[in-house]
Amino acid sequence: AQSVAQPEDQVNVAEGNPLTVKCTYSVSGNPYLFWYVQYPNRGLQFLLKYITGDNLVKGSYGFEAEFNKSQTSFHLKKPSALVSDSALYFCAVRDIAGFKTIFGAGTRLFVKA
Amino acid sequence: DADVTQTPRNRITKTGKRIMLECSQTKGHDRMYWYRQDPGLGLRLIYYSFDVKDINKGEISDGYSVSRQAQAKFSLSLESAIPNQTALYFCATSDSDRVDGYTFGSGTRLTVV
Repeated sequence: AQSVAQPEDQVNVAEGNPLTVKCTYSVSGNPYLFWYVQYPNRGLQFLLKYITGDNLVKGSYGFEAEFNKSQTSFHLKKPSALVSDSALYFCAVRDIAGFKTIFGAGTRLFVKA
Repeated sequence: DADVTQTPRNRITKTGKRIMLECSQTKGHDRMYWYRQDPGLGLRLIYYSFDVKDINKGEISDGYSVSRQAQAKFSLSLESAIPNQTALYFCATSDSDRVDGYTFGSGTRLTVV
């Protein structure tokens, strides 16, 4: 069965510092992996995806994510955090058949000025 | 106008009442989903539909029912609401021809008292 783990409930980082939000997954076969962001009182917004190819994928708002097959991880990164990046971040995995997507529990990111 | 519109945005209802949450989309996507968000639990899939004649249960379908009235409309019903159905409900859509992130509505905050 598919599963997604986000080991940190909250990540705190100072503005201008690099940030990492961690995600590990379990799925049969090759995964499709996604990151979403949720701002207060809003729905989830798609940030980026990994399907195949380069292990480093780039997405919206300067975010990128690194796929590591041996560690079954897909960590979200940004070189320089902004206060406006403060939000709830969800990692998600979809199986190759594409029937449904499983979401992690979410990680709240606080960026302090 | 939003690509995925959910109504109502907020609703307070009493235990035992029937309530319907509605979702409509202008994306032209064939697949639609209902998720429930609870703090610390992430998003859990309630029902999903791959076309008008295809309805499938998700991981937490008990106490819920759905109707896909048209490709663009997918409604979620709580036949007899109970307090532990208090949550934030999201509708999402996707295109079966593409591996893209889902498009989410802004959510319905439901409180059952």
